[in-house]
Amino acid sequence: QVLLQESGPRLVKPSETLSLTCSVSGTSFTSSEYYWTWIRHLPEKGLEWIGWIYYNGHTRYNPSLSSRLSLSLDTSKTQFSLNLKSVTAADTALYFCVRDHAWYGLDRWGQGTLVTVSS
Amino acid sequence: DVVLTQTPLSAPVTLGQSASFSCRSDQSLVHGDGHTYMNWLQWRPGQPPRLLIYKTSRRLSGVPDRFSGGGAGTDFTLNISRVEAEDVGVYFCIQATHYPFTFGQGTKLDIK
Repeated sequence: QVLLQESGPRLVKPSETLSLTCSVSGTSFTSSEYYWTWIRHLPEKGLEWIGWIYYNGHTRYNPSLSSRLSLSLDTSKTQFSLNLKSVTAADTALYFCVRDHAWYGLDRWGQGTLVTVSS
Repeated sequence: DVVLTQTPLSAPVTLGQSASFSCRSDQSLVHGDGHTYMNWLQWRPGQPPRLLIYKTSRRLSGVPDRFSGGGAGTDFTLNISRVEAEDVGVYFCIQATHYPFTFGQGTKLDIK
């Protein structure tokens, strides 16, 4: 059974860095078929694709976030992580880690974690 | 960025009846490799989103055949036949042809 689980602080102060980790199990983390992806659901604005990281470390970011965003992965722990710096209230959202299959698309989702940016 | 416009935003449906949702793109979603990367997600209350349809019309394994996708170019549809209570939720289209990938605003299905 493929499982993705987000973890990290639920409350982040404005101007600080939002950091989340996704733990992956039940699937090959280093398969060339998968792009490890972050997506968020923003109140009032809907779903937003944040970016992905490939097993070899190659990344693709949403240009709207790229100046503040960094994705990384740890293959030994089968985890990938998101760091979003200089956050504001506009970054308050439900964050999902997702497996993007090269053939099928966004086929496995974590449960999501709500992150609130507030002082 | 590609803008996806979904209609209707709300769809009250009688159990056992059919529902049809539209997703329109402001540019062609035909990729240079010939595929059209229009996918549909279902987001039920209390659960994460679930992929239903990929590449316009292909059902993911395990998805009931009551769900079907169609369309081409810039106009796409998701059809649900014989709506069941478990189908209640929000349905999103997502395009994965052009970066950054983008989503429609969602169509909420509920039961009359």
